[in-house]
Formats: sequence, C-alpha cells, structure tokens
Amino acid sequence: NAGVMQNPRHLVRRRGQEARLRCSPMKGHSHVYWYRQLPEEGLKFMVYLQKENIIDESGMPKERFSAEFPKEGPSILRIQQVVRGDSAAYFCASSRLQGEKLFFGSGTQLSVL
Amino acid sequence: KNEVEQSPQNLTAQEGEFITINCSYSVGISALHWLQQHPGGGIVSLFMLSSGKKKHGRLIATINIQEKHSSLHITASHPRDSAVYICAVDRGEGAQKLVFGQGTRLTINP
Repeated sequence: NAGVMQNPRHLVRRRGQEARLRCSPMKGHSHVYWYRQLPEEGLKFMVYLQKENIIDESGMPKERFSAEFPKEGPSILRIQQVVRGDSAAYFCASSRLQGEKLFFGSGTQLSVL
Repeated sequence: KNEVEQSPQNLTAQEGEFITINCSYSVGISALHWLQQHPGGGIVSLFMLSSGKKKHGRLIATINIQEKHSSLHITASHPRDSAVYICAVDRGEGAQKLVFGQGTRLTINP
C-alpha cells in the first residue's frame, strides 16, 4: 500500500514560469491537504480538497496559486508566474476521513531562480 | 505571540537519555498532532490525540486540555531519533487547518 506520493521531489523554475506540483493520496483517501514550509519558518496550511471540490483555501495566496483534485488523477498545486518568495517546501497530506490521522508525502522543494 | 509554542527549540542529548519536548497552545482545539521531520525533509505523523496519553514503542505523548499543554517523551533515546519534532493543533474548524509550532530540533549523540 503505497504512501502519499509527491512529485517532483525537486523543482527548479525561473521567475515568471509556472510550477505544477503533484500529489497522489494514499489508496482509499479522499481528503487532501497542502502545506507550505518557507525557509526557516514553520509549516502553514494552504488548502483542503476533496475529490472535485475545494473545501477550504483560506491559507492560499489570493493570486497566482490554485489547487485542484480531479475525479481521476492526482491533486495539483499550481503556481503561476513564480517569484523568488515562492521558494519553499510544499507538503501534501491525505486522510481517509476528515479529522483522522494524516499521512504526509515527502514534499516538493521548489527553488525559484 | 504564536498560537503554538514549543520548547526547547534545540535539544542535544546523549544516547539512552530520556527526552521531553513540550508544546503549549493558546486556542481551543479538537486534536493535537505530533510530527517528526527527518533530516531529508519527510514528515511522519507520530500521534494524534485529544485527551490523555498515547504510547507507541519508545514514544509517549500526553495532553492536558485544561492546561493547554502537551508533551512528547522519548525513552532510551537513540541517534536515529535525531529529527525535528513538530507540534500542531487542529482548531476544530474542519479542514485539518493545522496550526504548527516552530519545531524542536533534537540531536542524539552516540
């Protein structure tokens, strides 16, 4: 039973490019959460999704960031026109039901040049 | 002031020592999580608790809801326990909108 899979592990983008981060939850999990860890800072909640629905995106910057969790395929966190301040580790977690134990992916380290 | 405060920020100990990491929070919560972040960056959920005490192997987590305080204990510590330990609280707003502490960096020397 594979865990939460995130790819890529490392992503390098130049300023102005788009970054697409992927997260495949554990089998049987329909709740996905994205968190961001800025350098030298703690983790912060970004967005909570269920299949085909964004439940809570209150932690996501209003511009340039979007997330989806389609009926088929992984959840995608998309950052348009990246800036240096977007450089961070982005973690995805999943749970079978809301309020249950979280299982984390290994994260995607985004570096913006 | 952060809603979740951990202490100490850094802890170095010798192999075999009993370790305690503390977490205090200032908001009402539905659950508290203890996470372990390895040097490579990966995060593992150790415990999720809303009352009392949980034990898994050499790890013990306790929570006192009235005092808004939780502790993570490691017995017979080992160098492989070296990691950052993170406390996070779920404010019960749904969404597992966790609020995270800054983490405690633990180093166990052989």
